[in-house]
Amino acid sequence: EADIYQTPRYLVIGTGKKITLECSQTMGHDKMYWYQQDPGMELHLIHYSYGVNSTEKGDLSSESTVSRIRTEHFPLTLESARPSHTSQYLCASSDGSTLRGYTFGSGTRLTVV
Amino acid sequence: GDSVTQMEGPVTLSEEAFLTINCTYTATGYPSLFWYVQYPGEGLQLLLKATKADDKGSNKGFEATYRKETTSFHLEKGSVQVSDSAVYFCALLDTGRRALTFGSGTRLQVQP
Repeated sequence: EADIYQTPRYLVIGTGKKITLECSQTMGHDKMYWYQQDPGMELHLIHYSYGVNSTEKGDLSSESTVSRIRTEHFPLTLESARPSHTSQYLCASSDGSTLRGYTFGSGTRLTVV
Repeated sequence: GDSVTQMEGPVTLSEEAFLTINCTYTATGYPSLFWYVQYPGEGLQLLLKATKADDKGSNKGFEATYRKETTSFHLEKGSVQVSDSAVYFCALLDTGRRALTFGSGTRLQVQP
């Protein structure tokens, strides 16, 4: 049973629209992450958070923004979607231990037309 | 910086064949190592992990041994099934690193 939830699973939206991808976890993890997965499968870290009111940009520059007002919630927002934003977006969380891996959500596949 | 290198795919095997997917890493410290699996249309699932040298991670018939001397963490399975068809990612997490570092993924296709 998934402990981290992403909605929607699929989204097709027109250029210029504002969108928010939701990510919630029930494990009480402090650390949360957003990865962008390109069609070639590679995973790129775009945002991460170490706790409430903490957000940082990742390795890949992204026009998206994130917020962390509650521990369990880490939404990603695109103010004006473009076709270049078409991708799969994966959310993950961890308790910060290097002994355990991350728990991933099922992902949101975004298509901007 | 830290990096993970995986063999390129796709890897195509017949059912019951032996599987090896190579993974080598570069890290400044002594990282924990992971294999994740991604089934079509899904997120990543943790398959197995090893946290120190000579540890062997195992799950669902898959195994990988943390080899510090060769900086490797190769994934093996003695007899693959069609249901193993997926993309496999090797990853490392080093102390002080902000996030998991992933390899580029290897697609496995198992034919009946």
